[in-house]
This record gives sequence, C-alpha cells and structure tokens, in this order.
Amino acid sequence: DIVMTQSPDSLAVSLGERATITCKSSQSVLHSSSNKNYLAWYQQRPGQPPKLLIYWASTRESGVPDRFSGSGSGTDFTLTISSLQAEDVAVYYCQQYYSSPCNFGQGTKLEIK
Amino acid sequence: QVLLVQSEPEVKEPGASVKISCKASGYSFTTYYAHWVRQAPGQGLEWMGKINPSGGVTTYAQQFRGRVTITRDTSTRRVYMELTSLRSEDTAVYYCAREGAEIIPTFGVTPRGFDFWGQGTLVTVSS
Repeated sequence: DIVMTQSPDSLAVSLGERATITCKSSQSVLHSSSNKNYLAWYQQRPGQPPKLLIYWASTRESGVPDRFSGSGSGTDFTLTISSLQAEDVAVYYCQQYYSSPCNFGQGTKLEIK
Repeated sequence: QVLLVQSEPEVKEPGASVKISCKASGYSFTTYYAHWVRQAPGQGLEWMGKINPSGGVTTYAQQFRGRVTITRDTSTRRVYMELTSLRSEDTAVYYCAREGAEIIPTFGVTPRGFDFWGQGTLVTVSS
C-alpha cells in the first residue's frame, strides 16, 4: 500500500499571506505511460464533503480560485495558497489514486493567525 | 448537473449490518468508477473500496475485506455499500464519490481524482 504523509498537521497563517502544505508518498505515483502524477488535493470545510481542488498534482479543478496551486512529482508534492482568504479555513487532504487502496494523507488543518 | 444523493442516517446496534445507497444523476452512470470513503468523528478520510458500475467488479481495502460489499443497480443508477458485524468504531460519516476521468491525447482515459461526492450518511453504532 502507498502511505501518504502530510505536513504540518496544522497551520496558522495570516490573511493575505501564503500557506504551504506538503505531501509525501511512500512510492512514486507518477504513471509512466500517461506522464501524469495520480495525486489529488481536497478541501473539506466543517460539515461538508471533501471538494476536489487539484488533480494530476498540478491541474486546478474547474471553478477553483487561482490562488490555489499544486506542484511536485514522483513522491513529493506541495499545495500552495498564495494569499489566504477567510473562506480557505478548512482541512486539506492529499490523496493518491495510482493504486488501490486510494489512500489519503492524515489531513492538515488550516486556520487564520 | 452531476449529483450523488445518499440515503438517510442510520442507527444500528453492535453486530448488526447497514446498507447505504448512493443515487447518481447527471452523467453516464456506467462510465465512471464509484468509491466509498468514510470519516469517523474528528478523524481523517478512509478509503473503503470501489466498484466499476459497468461490469460490477469491486476492489476493497484490506481492513474491510470480509465485512464490506459494494454493489450497483444500473436500472436505478444506484450504488450500495453494505457493512456487516458493526462495532462502535464503525460510527462515521460514509461518503460515496465519483472518480472523474479525462481523455489525454495519445494516451486515452485517465483518472483525475474524486470529482463529485455525496452529502454523506451518518451511521451511528450504539447499544
């Protein structure tokens, strides 16, 4: 099984500042044939289901603000929020869908400083 | 628009079984894999398994094998998740999710994460 490890577990950032979350997979999730990393990022607000933000490690889902960006390849990935807004307070998860089980990271709780 | 609508909350006693449904609309039901993910109170997301609605082939997470069964009914566009031998640790919100896909030129259909989710179904296991 591929284990996903996020850091930090929690993060407090001032409004308008940058927030960065990292995710590491225990094996590469780069699909060689498609040259795509099978890595997604989700945002989950309290009482809501998760929402897909980023897929293929760096492709923004339709409707997601461009302050959200993803980067990385192979086993190391980053989610960046360039200028934190109040509505970005949530828990963020990375997930690999390269192979079953499609494991998630433990989550990173993002708060306003 | 794509919608996944799940069944109502359930309260079960330890040792019982629960079967949750997820009704899909707004897309070709047999084209996209469906997954089940659960979330215990205050905890993270745990993948349980998936089904290919086209042929009904399933894959389950090791920790649930023998207790979970995912099925589908193409006539009603529903996916089901049944969990047996319930214990208190199974108290959680259970989500169904659609695995999105895109066509990449020269390669073909490629998964792109779980793009639509149901609203969640709370299952409480308590005596």
